[in-house]
Amino acid sequence: DSGVTQTPKHLITATGQRVTLRCSPRSGDLSVYWYQQSLDQGLQFLIQYYNGEERAKGNILERFSAQQFPDLHSELNLSSLELGDSALYFCASSPFGQGEGYTFGSGTRLTVV
Amino acid sequence: EDQVTQSPEALRLQEGESSSLNCSYTVSGLRGLFWYRQDPGKGPEFLFTLYSAGEEKEKERLKATLTKKESFLHITAPKPEDSATYLCAVQVLKAAGNKLTFGGGTRVLVKP
Repeated sequence: DSGVTQTPKHLITATGQRVTLRCSPRSGDLSVYWYQQSLDQGLQFLIQYYNGEERAKGNILERFSAQQFPDLHSELNLSSLELGDSALYFCASSPFGQGEGYTFGSGTRLTVV
Repeated sequence: EDQVTQSPEALRLQEGESSSLNCSYTVSGLRGLFWYRQDPGKGPEFLFTLYSAGEEKEKERLKATLTKKESFLHITAPKPEDSATYLCAVQVLKAAGNKLTFGGGTRVLVKP
């Protein structure tokens, strides 16, 4: 157990729907990161939050949004889902905002049908 | 644009047959280079961080080294439990936040 908790583990939904993925970081970690892993793209950075504020943004689609709450858990919202959004979504956390590696959760496997 | 390329894409080894994985990178300024191990359907597991050329780190049968253009992950006398995908990632200077840019990974299969 890495200490980073992601729910749900699996999600199957239809095109056009909206889903919310949840992440609880390791105790004491202030930064949360979201990554998408698909077979053809590898691990791609989506977005980082540090202590409730957005710190960095990657190739995150406009249909996707995220936030980090005062208790430091984070949610990734995916809307108007398309078949191509099917992927593993990983959350990671780290103690600070810069300069170190981080710990990944076990992921949420999203299947859009 | 920052780029990370790993080779080979896949590696089949006999138990005890040592080998090396390559990670070449092109970045504007390296803050750190990271190695992760990923088992199927699971999240990447942190192995090493390297910060400067010439640095080396070891953990059990794994040893990571860094030059100004590439990093190697040496697997010495591998066992079947070393079978996994090994991912290399870089963090760059002057970048907002703390994102990692990953390579495509090397899938390692160790046969008994």
